[in-house]
Amino acid sequence: QVQLVQSGAEVKKPGASVKVSCKASGYTFTSYGISWVRQAPGQGLEWMGWISAYNGNTNYAQKLQGRVTMTTDTSTSTAYMELRSLRSDDTAVYYCARPLMVTSDAFDIWGQGTMVTVSS
Amino acid sequence: QSVLTQPPSVSAAPGQKVTISCSGSSSNIGNNYVSWYQQLPGTAPKLLIYDNNKRPSGIPDRFSGSKSGTSATLGITGLQTGDEADYYCGTWDSSLSAGEWVFGGGTKLTVL
Repeated sequence: QVQLVQSGAEVKKPGASVKVSCKASGYTFTSYGISWVRQAPGQGLEWMGWISAYNGNTNYAQKLQGRVTMTTDTSTSTAYMELRSLRSDDTAVYYCARPLMVTSDAFDIWGQGTMVTVSS
Repeated sequence: QSVLTQPPSVSAAPGQKVTISCSGSSSNIGNNYVSWYQQLPGTAPKLLIYDNNKRPSGIPDRFSGSKSGTSATLGITGLQTGDEADYYCGTWDSSLSAGEWVFGGGTKLTVL
């Protein structure tokens, strides 16, 4: 079945970087883009950006420009999200998500989430 | 402050109907498809509605979506206790050069 499996929880100090992975299976990885969405404790969903698994094109949320980098490894069908210069307000659950269809932006397949805690 | 405005909470009794609104502007809802997500506590969001009013396979017809102008609405009929969750609307916003996906602030549904 189609699924996205993310890496495990992380604890980081302020100023550090974190890299979260999202391994896809059950479909042709390069046919769909991957978006990253985060959710701070008790808060709503925040879109972080998108990467094309076909050609690596990216579109990052303006708020995170300069701190976030999204990449893919097509040989392992894995997407990565790296966030640098971590702050306490980056503490959140980070999700990767795939759209329902190639022609749709609606997120149908979600990873299980990765908790990132930023604390000194 | 979310670009899309949802009521923080709604409530209704089991078996009743509830609607959740999502208000935006011409740069987002007015010119793009809206999707809706259900998030149960401690779980990843689940797609309920896409392209304003379409249901993915497996989503019961108790859930419906509509859009008019710069607002969208999620409707849920025959409420069940298992419907207690947070609900989010989302769409593309083209106000910035490359565009960004935006979510509403979320609505907590309580089934009394």
